[in-house]
Amino acid sequence: KAGVTQTPRYLIKTRGQQVTLSCSPISGHRSVSWYQQTPGQGLQFLFEYFSETQRNKGNFPGRFSGRQFSNSRSEMNVSTLELGDSALYLCASSAGRAGEQYFGPGTRLTVT
Amino acid sequence: AQTVTQSQPEMSVQEAETVTLSCTYDTSESDYYLFWYKQPPSRQMILVIRQEAYKQQNATENRFSVNFQKAAKSFSLKISDSQLGDAAMYFCAYQNRDDKIIFGKGTRLHILP
Repeated sequence: KAGVTQTPRYLIKTRGQQVTLSCSPISGHRSVSWYQQTPGQGLQFLFEYFSETQRNKGNFPGRFSGRQFSNSRSEMNVSTLELGDSALYLCASSAGRAGEQYFGPGTRLTVT
Repeated sequence: AQTVTQSQPEMSVQEAETVTLSCTYDTSESDYYLFWYKQPPSRQMILVIRQEAYKQQNATENRFSVNFQKAAKSFSLKISDSQLGDAAMYFCAYQNRDDKIIFGKGTRLHILP
């Protein structure tokens, strides 16, 4: 089975721009979660989608949004980028509630 | 709100020795899951071990085992016969049945040859 894939792997953007990150879960997994990882804050939960519906949301501003498509692929969007948004963004898929999360390699976003 | 605390930002252990990583958590729930995840320098996070709170028996996976103390809200990871490939960042995580996963800040483990 193919693992979780994330594109792009690296991204450099300028303050004020917007960015879209993509995540393809493991085949058959319907839950996709997004995390922001920074050296100072560690891993912080952004949101989780299950069957195209946002099931949980972390404490991030409205500039961070996401969606999930009928094939379970998910996208995450960050608008009006700030320097503090520079981070590794990880996506994880799971077969259902409280199941093992399988992580992708991440997208390294740098905001200049 | 639930929290997960890993009090050891970094640890080192000699190859072939045993090391224990600490994790405490705070919750008012009685039914939940606990995990240890490993993130090697290549950055792909993988699950090491999983414990269901209703199970009293400590989970084990080969050289990895946990000491789950529900009353004390403690969930430590023991790595026996440490190998160079065990060098990584280790994250303790908590999840109850209907909520998001909460991760600790992580412990960076160094293996000394």
